[in-house]
Amino acid sequence: AQKVTQVQTEISVVEKEDVTLDCVYETRDTTYYLFWYKQPPSGELVFLIRRNSFDEQNEISGRYSWNFQKSTSSFNFTITASQVVDSAVYFCALSAFSSNTGKLIFGQGTTLQVKP
Amino acid sequence: NAGVTQTPKFRILKIGQSMTLQCAQDMNHNYMYWYRQDPGMGLKLIYYSVGAGITDKGEVPNGYNVSRSTTEDFPLRLELAAPSQTSVYFCASSYSTGDAPDTQYFGPGTRLTVL
Repeated sequence: AQKVTQVQTEISVVEKEDVTLDCVYETRDTTYYLFWYKQPPSGELVFLIRRNSFDEQNEISGRYSWNFQKSTSSFNFTITASQVVDSAVYFCALSAFSSNTGKLIFGQGTTLQVKP
Repeated sequence: NAGVTQTPKFRILKIGQSMTLQCAQDMNHNYMYWYRQDPGMGLKLIYYSVGAGITDKGEVPNGYNVSRSTTEDFPLRLELAAPSQTSVYFCASSYSTGDAPDTQYFGPGTRLTVL
């Protein structure tokens, strides 16, 4: 069975604080892909990152960074110097290569509120 | 490119009514998906298609039907609407050669209320 758990349901920070959203996953597959999506108040889903299970290098994109640790089955997302525009629901998702269908298993989401 | 488009944006149905949610993509993606998002929850897969003429059930298919006659279109049919189908529906598409699941790109969603 595959499962994604987002540890925090809601996080509230003040602008310019750093914030980390934790994602823990379960899968028996050795090859899989992990994703983060952002859902702003307008409701659309915006793709942020895709990572495969063989690439454990951390990734940085501007103020965003991701820490992938296979040993703890975690794929955590950090926003540095948060801004009000970062307020959104963030989803972590898993896709197992064995399914050959690209089906995504989503976590329940973390609602991030950044206050000015 | 318009990407993934969905119509309508909003709809209110009465119990027992039927409707079709439209989804189209212009990226020549072979894989398409329908998800539903209930309040405070993540998305759950309803149906998916790996190419024209090929569809299969996802996690929550009951009460829905799909068809895929063209690469571009993937409509979702609700035959007898029930209050439990009140949700936001997202269509997504991706391109895959079968080697690896590629990134899914989502439409703007359809907010459906069944009263």
